[in-house]
Amino acid sequence: DAKTTQPTSMDCAEGRAANLPCNHSTISGNEYVYWYRQIHSQGPQYIIHGLKNNETNEMASLIITEDRKSSTLILPHATLRDTAVYYCIVRVEETSYDKVIFGPGTSLSVIP
Amino acid sequence: DTAVSQTPKYLVTQMGNDKSIKCEQNLGHDTMYWYKQDSKKFLKIMFSYNNKELIINETVPNRFSPKSPDKAHLNLHINSLELGDSAVYFCASSQDWWQGNNSPLHFGNGTRLTVT
Repeated sequence: DAKTTQPTSMDCAEGRAANLPCNHSTISGNEYVYWYRQIHSQGPQYIIHGLKNNETNEMASLIITEDRKSSTLILPHATLRDTAVYYCIVRVEETSYDKVIFGPGTSLSVIP
Repeated sequence: DTAVSQTPKYLVTQMGNDKSIKCEQNLGHDTMYWYKQDSKKFLKIMFSYNNKELIINETVPNRFSPKSPDKAHLNLHINSLELGDSAVYFCASSQDWWQGNNSPLHFGNGTRLTVT
């Protein structure tokens, strides 16, 4: 089972910031938080990841709370092309290997 | 430059047939994966290979057999196809696996398999 919970869907006006929350209250100290997105009919696309500190790249910013139990992905100026399903993922360590488990994600609709 | 490429993009076949899906990555990664996305859009891991060695084998019928001829290729062969096998299959790769907490997955664009 996925170790994260996200809202099922969100809307955002074009040009505004999209803030996508994620809860990962059972995260352990050495687990990274990853964000991916899946645009319709394409494969999931890596966006950003982080451990403790906030991170920023050309696509988005990731804000992780101090207790690491939740995080927020920020798309600073959402465009119509950002309409996608966004997955927040914590890698799960299990016996001799770890695996990435995708939950249902948040369906983001960017509205003109 | 396609990083992870899968062929074919679409595959329509009848029950009972045997089919293969091919995957190649040009990223120089050590680990490759197969994921299945069903009609409810959940992505579930099926297999993972690290340096041609099988690392992850989830609860998948043994009609599904992955083959890794080299580090850059991971093919999926499916025997005796069933209606329930209809789904989108995604290949992915990453630089590392169990040490790979800092190693994002790179996905192909999927193969839509329809079994009639």
